[in-house]
Amino acid sequence: AQSVSQHNHHVILSEAASLELGCNYSYGGTVNLFWYVQYPGQHLQLLLKYFSGDPLVKGIKGFEAEFIKSKFSFNLRKPSVQWSDTAEYFCAVRGTNAGKSTFGDGTTLTVKP
Amino acid sequence: GAGVSQTPSNKVTEKGKYVELRCDPISGHTALYWYRQSLGQGPEFLIYFQGTGAADDSGLPNDRFFAVRPEGSVSTLKIQRTERGDSAVYLCASSPSDSWVYGYTFGSGTRLTVV
Repeated sequence: AQSVSQHNHHVILSEAASLELGCNYSYGGTVNLFWYVQYPGQHLQLLLKYFSGDPLVKGIKGFEAEFIKSKFSFNLRKPSVQWSDTAEYFCAVRGTNAGKSTFGDGTTLTVKP
Repeated sequence: GAGVSQTPSNKVTEKGKYVELRCDPISGHTALYWYRQSLGQGPEFLIYFQGTGAADDSGLPNDRFFAVRPEGSVSTLKIQRTERGDSAVYLCASSPSDSWVYGYTFGSGTRLTVV
């Protein structure tokens, strides 16, 4: 069975601080990994995804994530956050033979201006 | 359409009643997914369709829940004899196919409240 763990439930940062949100997954096979973001009052949207090749993936708005297979991790990073990055962030895993994705419980990021 | 559309956006119903939630995916997207999200949790998988058929319904919690997609486009999630524990945001998502390379495009969800 697939599972995703996001250890940080709520992160508070000041603008220009660096961000790293943790994501660990459990799955006995080849996986695809995703980060989704939900801005206040908006629907979930895809931030970035990994399915093969370079383990360092770049997404929208300056976000990136690194897949470390040996650690079963897919942490999300941004060098310098902005107030507009305030949102809830969800990590998701999907097996290559499964249509469905499994989501973590999310991390709420608050960026103080 | 331009995005995934879900109706209604909010639904309040009495315990024991029947409800239908509708999802209109992006035109041409053959895969359609239903999730539900409770407060403080991530989306929880319910069922997904590839075309008209349910490819995986392993997430439906019990036989009160049923979903259809008769023409391979619009889908309806049906909940019979609603219970207060069914209260959640029901999310629909679509993708070009159920291939593993695609992420989802989500709708805004239907907030279901059972009183």
